[in-house]
Amino acid sequence: DAGVIQSPRHEVTEMGQEVTLRCKPISGHNSLFWYRQTMMRGLELLIYFNNNVPIDDSGMPEDRFSAKMPNASFSTLKIQPSEPRDSAVYFCASSLARDSNGYTFGSGTRLTVV
Amino acid sequence: GESVGLHLPTLSVQEGDNSIINCAYSNSASDYFIWYKQESGKGPQFIIDIRSNMDKRQGQRVTVLLNKTVKHLSLQIAATQPGDSAVYFCAEVVSSGSARQLTFGSGTQLTVLP
Repeated sequence: DAGVIQSPRHEVTEMGQEVTLRCKPISGHNSLFWYRQTMMRGLELLIYFNNNVPIDDSGMPEDRFSAKMPNASFSTLKIQPSEPRDSAVYFCASSLARDSNGYTFGSGTRLTVV
Repeated sequence: GESVGLHLPTLSVQEGDNSIINCAYSNSASDYFIWYKQESGKGPQFIIDIRSNMDKRQGQRVTVLLNKTVKHLSLQIAATQPGDSAVYFCAEVVSSGSARQLTFGSGTQLTVLP
């Protein structure tokens, strides 16, 4: 298995532009998580899905952020419009709900908004 | 303006010595706890977990201790090696039905000295 796959690895965009981050979870995993990591706030949970359904999006900072999971093998995190304070590393993770050590993280997308 | 960054606790140990990394958690309802290792430019990687009804669990060169009375968790690494240099996070997991939520601590930077 290739693990959790995120794209792109790096994204540099201008303020005001739309940014879409992509994640392919591990096949068979039924939970998917989006995290944001910054020096200021560490690792923060933004939203998580269980069986493609958003369970808790209370970590999504603003309406500019949205996430979708149209099927079990794909999820997107979109920021529109982007702002410099959105600059961070965004991680996607997936797990099998019953598996205690099944959280597998992707390599992350480093987003820079200038 | 001045920015305030997240001040990561740091631990420096000599190669071959044992390392102890500590973590305090807040949610007494957590079902279990996980230690993650994050190397530069990579996502967090699972090391070991422990259920809330256990006090100790051992893995290969690592031991996790859980003290529920004071809500404290520790990770012990035996015979620390240069490849152990990374940021270590503890995370607590709360289950709700078939869904689980993983919340990370702030992390500790471990540096192994030659």
